Amino acid sequence: QKEVEQDPGPLSVPEGAIVSLNCTYSNSAFQYFMWYRQYSRKGPELLMYTYSSGNKEDGRFTAQVDKSSKYISLFIRDSQPSDSATYLCAMSTSYNTDKLIFGTGTRLQVFP
Amino acid sequence: GAGVSQSPRYKVTKRGQDVALRCDPISGHVSLYWYRQALGQGPEFLTYFNYEAQQDKSGLPNDRFSAERPEGSISTLTIQRTEQRDSAMYRCASSLERGGEQYFGPGTRLTVT
Repeated sequence: QKEVEQDPGPLSVPEGAIVSLNCTYSNSAFQYFMWYRQYSRKGPELLMYTYSSGNKEDGRFTAQVDKSSKYISLFIRDSQPSDSATYLCAMSTSYNTDKLIFGTGTRLQVFP
Repeated sequence: GAGVSQSPRYKVTKRGQDVALRCDPISGHVSLYWYRQALGQGPEFLTYFNYEAQQDKSGLPNDRFSAERPEGSISTLTIQRTEQRDSAMYRCASSLERGGEQYFGPGTRLTVT
């Protein structure tokens, strides 16, 4: 079993929809949770960063962490065609914050 | 300013040859990371450096893989006696400080024939 599980998609939604992306994990030592966006043929770029449990909002993006369920989510409101990309969750422990463990990524397509 | 750069962008090599992949981090960034990303997968951690010191090499698949960062700036990932299973995108990232946001480079696509 992988430490981090993520549905690869693809997820196809119309413009303006609310998108929900999720990851589950098995290592209870994970304390830092990130979402990266990766456009085709590009490197990943950090979207959201959350420590421990709770919610964090940044514009149209909301990240949620539920440590009791070992489940994290990224919500995208009013999705745009420019949001079409692969979204990767990543996690690290407090004793090794530099070693990121990534999910497989979910490919999102937002059509006009 | 300039981001993380990697060279070459594409490398095709024959099985059994050695390859060296280069990463030039963002100027002033202390930490440097190497990942391998297979098609349709997320990046897989290989190793990382703080300044010139290799802190964690637990992700290196076997002893054919090695990395160095002798002056705390540019880093080289070397794969000896390449095998077809080594074919992947190799990505480098750097961060301003230990545990900080990692900025990824464009990657080197390695193909072993």
